[in-house]
Amino acid sequence: GAVVSQHPSWVICKSGTSVKIECRSLDFQATTMFWYRQFPKQSLMLMATSNEGSKATYEQGVEKDKFLINHASLTLSTLTVTSAHPEDSSFYICSARDQPPALQETQYFGPGTRLLVL
Amino acid sequence: AQTVTQSQPEMSVQEAETVTLSCTYDTSENNYYLFWYKQPPSRQMILVIRQEAYKQQNATENRFSVNFQKAAKSFSLKISDSQLGDTAMYFCAFMSYAGKSTFGDGTTLTVKP
Repeated sequence: GAVVSQHPSWVICKSGTSVKIECRSLDFQATTMFWYRQFPKQSLMLMATSNEGSKATYEQGVEKDKFLINHASLTLSTLTVTSAHPEDSSFYICSARDQPPALQETQYFGPGTRLLVL
Repeated sequence: AQTVTQSQPEMSVQEAETVTLSCTYDTSENNYYLFWYKQPPSRQMILVIRQEAYKQQNATENRFSVNFQKAAKSFSLKISDSQLGDTAMYFCAFMSYAGKSTFGDGTTLTVKP
């Protein structure tokens, strides 16, 4: 099956610093990647949809200047949390969609990144 | 906008027994996909089963099967012969043809020995 990786898997940073999280599709090309945020024992909340070569589409309530998304290639999307604060601490998950959409349409999830802002 | 409702925050089942997790959704779209995902303590999302809305036949994957009622907008998951490794949080998800997904709040399933 298709594999999506995320790096780093775990990051601790000081308040006010920026953190970059990478999401890679390892064995397929992904024109579309999605970024989610998940708090403990809660659901996944879609933050933004990332399309290769174009600007990301953010969900309502998500600060685009706070969460910078770049999808520079068909296999890489990055999420940068700028000027991180403790309330940004969370579990961030990316997913990727096949291109072209496969007959077995689905999303492939990365393993997630745990961010702790001190 | 789509909504997905999982009305059972927690469930438990004895090993080898059968359990059904419920899910309802609301959408105005006619074509879409539905999924059940499993999230163990590692928090890696694992696809359990998928269903295309245009297919009337219920999807099955080994011990996992769904009861898809399109008119009722219901999509329940049945786990047969429950195993200890099935213990996890289960999410029902709706995905539009554009690829945007909406998740339910999840059901924590505990399989007891």
